Amino acid sequence: GEDVEQSLFLSVREGDSSVINCTYTDSSSTYLYWYKQEPGAGLQLLTYIFSNMDMKQDQRLTVLLNKKDKHLSLRIADTQTGDSAIYFCAESQGGKLIFGQGTELSVKP
Amino acid sequence: DAGVTQSPTHLIKTRGQHVTLRCSPISGHKSVSWYQQVLGQGPQFIFQYYEKEERGRGNFPDRFSARQFPNYSSELNVNALLLGDSALYLCASSLLGENEKLFFGSGTQLSVL
Repeated sequence: GEDVEQSLFLSVREGDSSVINCTYTDSSSTYLYWYKQEPGAGLQLLTYIFSNMDMKQDQRLTVLLNKKDKHLSLRIADTQTGDSAIYFCAESQGGKLIFGQGTELSVKP
Repeated sequence: DAGVTQSPTHLIKTRGQHVTLRCSPISGHKSVSWYQQVLGQGPQFIFQYYEKEERGRGNFPDRFSARQFPNYSSELNVNALLLGDSALYLCASSLLGENEKLFFGSGTQLSVL
């Protein structure tokens, strides 16, 4: 099937690390993406990883890719209240993206 | 540089009406895609256009149609609106439309009463 799966909710304290997990389906996906959506807004591209990479780091964000298990994770270091949002992982299939349901991250002060 | 722009931002329609949503891609981008995001779910692919040609279509009824103009802007049309068409409609642009980063607009929130 086409399902990309994510856990629905994550709650962390300010300053802690957040880890959002995702499993995808298509082993031939070339790129995998993480998008952030704040209330009432569109999707903001946070980061992406090419399928032949295991890890990508971009400031506070670290993406880990396990191709064997089709597992993708996003780690946010030193999580801030401004990081509270819904995070979507997505896999590319040709010209379209297949999105998960999104993980709502709640950051408590 | 302007990002992806969509209009209108909000729209209220009644069942049976039709609606036209508009999108301008990032300057230089030749591919435009449309996604539907129902509340509480991830976006679902509707269409992709590249160089004015339809490149892909998602699992949506024929009531949904789109086109891309010579300046690469795009319209999404939905006929015979149903209550279930209420959603956030997102437009995304990319350079070439194949295995690339997609940049999204802020969306059009459509409410069908």
